[in-house]
Amino acid sequence: NAGVTQTPKFQVLKTGQSMTLQCAQDMNHEYMSWYRQDPGMGLRLIHYSVGAGITDQGEVPNGYNVSRSTTEDFPLRLLSAAPSQTSVYFCASSRGQGSEKLFFGSGTQLSVL
Amino acid sequence: AQKITQTQPGMFVQEKEAVTLDCTYDTSDQSYGLFWYKQPSSGEMIFLIYQGSYDEQNATEGRYSLNFQKARKSANLVISASQLGDSAMYFCAMREGRRETSGSRLTFGEGTQLTVNP
Repeated sequence: NAGVTQTPKFQVLKTGQSMTLQCAQDMNHEYMSWYRQDPGMGLRLIHYSVGAGITDQGEVPNGYNVSRSTTEDFPLRLLSAAPSQTSVYFCASSRGQGSEKLFFGSGTQLSVL
Repeated sequence: AQKITQTQPGMFVQEKEAVTLDCTYDTSDQSYGLFWYKQPSSGEMIFLIYQGSYDEQNATEGRYSLNFQKARKSANLVISASQLGDSAMYFCAMREGRRETSGSRLTFGEGTQLTVNP
């Protein structure tokens, strides 16, 4: 039972490059979301989805795109990387009914030079 | 205004003693959920406990309990019989609104770093 899988675990980009952070869950969860965590701070919501084909912006969406074509996958795209996007990124998922528990991936450490 | 406020940047506790980590929240929604997560130095986010706004009893999960005072908008985490492995960052978080529309959208506090001393 893999849970929430994020790839890559580490990534270094140059300013202006684009890339996609992958997130997949195998628990058939309806809800998925992306957060970023800056040093010494709590997590801030980037984008979230309540089901396949449905996405919405969170607190800090600028510079990021998402799509949810399947229930399992929720990739996060950095359009043109900036040093301000250096952070740890977490993907999370939860069920639509029953337990409210939010499952997190292990995180992606991204550095933008 | 801050949605989630954790006023204790750092806390220290002796092993085997109980400790309370404070959390206050701000929302105008009637339906909401409150969460506590633990983040050890390895970085993963570990779910500890959940309290729904309509739950009449305080949530408990093993050594963790949530002291929910709705009128005061506080949701303090109580850890009983602290262990060395409890040393970590602890985050309080809130889901506002009904789950059907909010999904996994949480607002997090800035965290409390707990250190358990032997």
